[in-house]
Amino acid sequence: GEDVEQSLFLSVREGDSSVINCTYTDSSSTYLYWYKQEPGAGLQLLTYIFSNMDMKQDQRLTVLLNKKDKHLSLRIADTQTGDSAIYFCAESGGGSQGNLIFGKGTKLSVKP
Amino acid sequence: GAVVSQHPSWVICKSGTSVKIECRSLDFQATTMFWYRQFPKQSLMLMATSNEGSKATYEQGVEKDKFLINHASLTLSTLTVTSAHPEDSSFYICSARRAGNQPQHFGDGTRLSIL
Repeated sequence: GEDVEQSLFLSVREGDSSVINCTYTDSSSTYLYWYKQEPGAGLQLLTYIFSNMDMKQDQRLTVLLNKKDKHLSLRIADTQTGDSAIYFCAESGGGSQGNLIFGKGTKLSVKP
Repeated sequence: GAVVSQHPSWVICKSGTSVKIECRSLDFQATTMFWYRQFPKQSLMLMATSNEGSKATYEQGVEKDKFLINHASLTLSTLTVTSAHPEDSSFYICSARRAGNQPQHFGDGTRLSIL
C-alpha cells in the first residue's frame, strides 16, 4: 500500500539550515506536499511540488524531489525559532478523491 | 489566499452529548472537503471525504452513524459526533480543496474532550 516515511526528530541551531527528508512509495503521485503544524493548530500548507519537477524554491524554503528514489526533502535556510513545529510530508493518494497520505511528521526543534 | 475556518476550536462536554463541528472555506468554493482525526503526537488519520451534494465516503473502520458528515454547500461541511464518549476525545481537523488536483487547505482544528 501507499506509505510515507520521515524521521521523527530534527534539532538545529538558530541560523543554520534544516533539512527534513521524506520517502514515499506511490510513484503515481501527482503532487507532493509539505505542511507545518504548530502546537494545538491545524496544518499550514508550506509548499508543494509537481511530480515532474526536480526542485522548487520559495524564499527560505527549497524542495528537492528525486523521483527515481522517491525521495523528497525540505530545506529551510537560516532557521529561526519560529520555525519550530512539526513538518508533515504528504503525497496525493491514488484514489479518485485525491486524498493525501501523510507521514508521521518530523518535529523540528530550533535552539537559540 | 485559501482560508479555511473551523469552529469551534475547543469543546468540552459530557458523555452522551452530540457535538457539531463546522468547516468553512472563506474565500473559495470547496468541491471536496476532508475530515481527519489526530491522536497526540501522531499523524492525521483520514476519516471521510465529502463532495458537495453527495454522501460522504468513509474510510474503513470509521462508523458513519457515529460521525455524521454533511456537505450542503460549496463552502460548508459539518461533522457531528453523535452520542460522544470519552474514547471520541481527539483533535479533529478539516480540510478543503477546490475542484481539480489542487492542494488541500486545513482549518485550525477542533479539540474535543468528552468527560
